[in-house]
Amino acid sequence: SAVISQKPSRDICQRGTSLTIQCQVDSQVTMMFWYRQQPGQSLTLIATANQGSEATYESGFVIDKFPISRPNLTFSTLTVSNMSPEDSSIYLCSVEGTGRGTGQETQYFGPGTRLLVL
Amino acid sequence: QKEVEQNSGPLSVPEGAIASLNCTYSDRGSQSFFWYRQYSGKSPELIMFIYSNGDKEDGRFTAQLNKASQYVSLLIRDSQPSDSATYLCAVNMGSDYKLSFGAGTTVTVRA
Repeated sequence: SAVISQKPSRDICQRGTSLTIQCQVDSQVTMMFWYRQQPGQSLTLIATANQGSEATYESGFVIDKFPISRPNLTFSTLTVSNMSPEDSSIYLCSVEGTGRGTGQETQYFGPGTRLLVL
Repeated sequence: QKEVEQNSGPLSVPEGAIASLNCTYSDRGSQSFFWYRQYSGKSPELIMFIYSNGDKEDGRFTAQLNKASQYVSLLIRDSQPSDSATYLCAVNMGSDYKLSFGAGTTVTVRA
């Protein structure tokens, strides 16, 4: 599986500001995903980011609030804009992968960014 | 109806016992099924995957799939305190590597 890093690992931000989260992979991948995990909750997919095309957002998430960049096959950013306390969450990036030689499509996750908005 | 549902927790088992986790899914066309383990404060880690009906064993973990019943389960044998975590069921309902996740079941193994 790929080695995935995220920056920052955690941050505390003021209401109304924006934060850009970076996701770096050690190998080229076509598909990258951004998730939100609110306290005590499961993973909610925000968007799918493919290199060379606009990100595809899930219902309830919009580009103005969560702009995404995907400049190459190893890097992506997610910006959380005009933050409110409700945006306090863990933000995770993941990448496409195959399950240990089977070819079955799955995802591998980065370590996450823990965001607290005051 | 949620796409992927897991049995509500938390689940508490004594050390050495079997922990049984259940998951049902709504899309009959789903092909691949995954179990992730998430320790508190950490990101999800893939521990098992299954795509054929029946059982698949990997160490102390056994995944069971019944596509006719739209049901997948995870058994943890000889549970250890280090198995205490939240277990997420994930289903690939189509193409493009997209996964739908259940809400997770938190397991606590009592020493």
